[in-house]
Amino acid sequence: QQQVKQSPQSLIVQKGGISIINCAYENTAFDYFPWYQQFPGKGPALLIAIRPDVSEKKEGRFTISFNKSAKQFSLHIMDSQPGDSATYFCAATVSGGYQKVTFGIGTKLQVIP
Amino acid sequence: KAGVTQTPRYLIKTRGQQVTLSCSPISGHRSVSWYQQTPGQGLQFLFEYFSETQRNKGNFPGRFSGRQFSNSRSEMNVSTLELGDSALYLCASSRKTGNLNTDTQYFGPGTRLTVL
Repeated sequence: QQQVKQSPQSLIVQKGGISIINCAYENTAFDYFPWYQQFPGKGPALLIAIRPDVSEKKEGRFTISFNKSAKQFSLHIMDSQPGDSATYFCAATVSGGYQKVTFGIGTKLQVIP
Repeated sequence: KAGVTQTPRYLIKTRGQQVTLSCSPISGHRSVSWYQQTPGQGLQFLFEYFSETQRNKGNFPGRFSGRQFSNSRSEMNVSTLELGDSALYLCASSRKTGNLNTDTQYFGPGTRLTVL
């Protein structure tokens, strides 16, 4: 059962454009939502994370938007660059205790020049 | 500071065999989690170890097991391999201070297991 639904599974964006990846969750106990970036041959690396007490978090060209009532969150990559080409995973977990991190299925982003 | 290391990086096994994968966490990290990554299922949580104790387990059959040593290094074992076990197995370590899941997980490069 996919508790975190991620879309699209693949995305092609032109250089300089905005990449948008969406995620939706079911478990209302989730209170920590990290995004990971994975390059081929590497393990995922934390990109940015958000808690539901804020609606938006920005780090450089990367922004997370969070809609608690809709149980949805999204990653926006502004001014997308070829170096951003990677697979992106959204994730969700409960912040306290030994709770597993549930990942979305991943979005393969290709930024073309 | 050295990152998370996993050995071996690649493995080819045949059905019915068993395999042991190793993970060395970042120095000072006490939590090690294991994930299975496949194209169709994404990243699936296997289990988490902290202070040599399994703290959480995902929905995998009993053929998948693990352990953690006193130096926080961890191993996972898969017995009676099936074709469907072919995947990238990732381990991730974190400090897990105060038992919080918000501590950053640092992933290793993974072990690519192919079952023939």
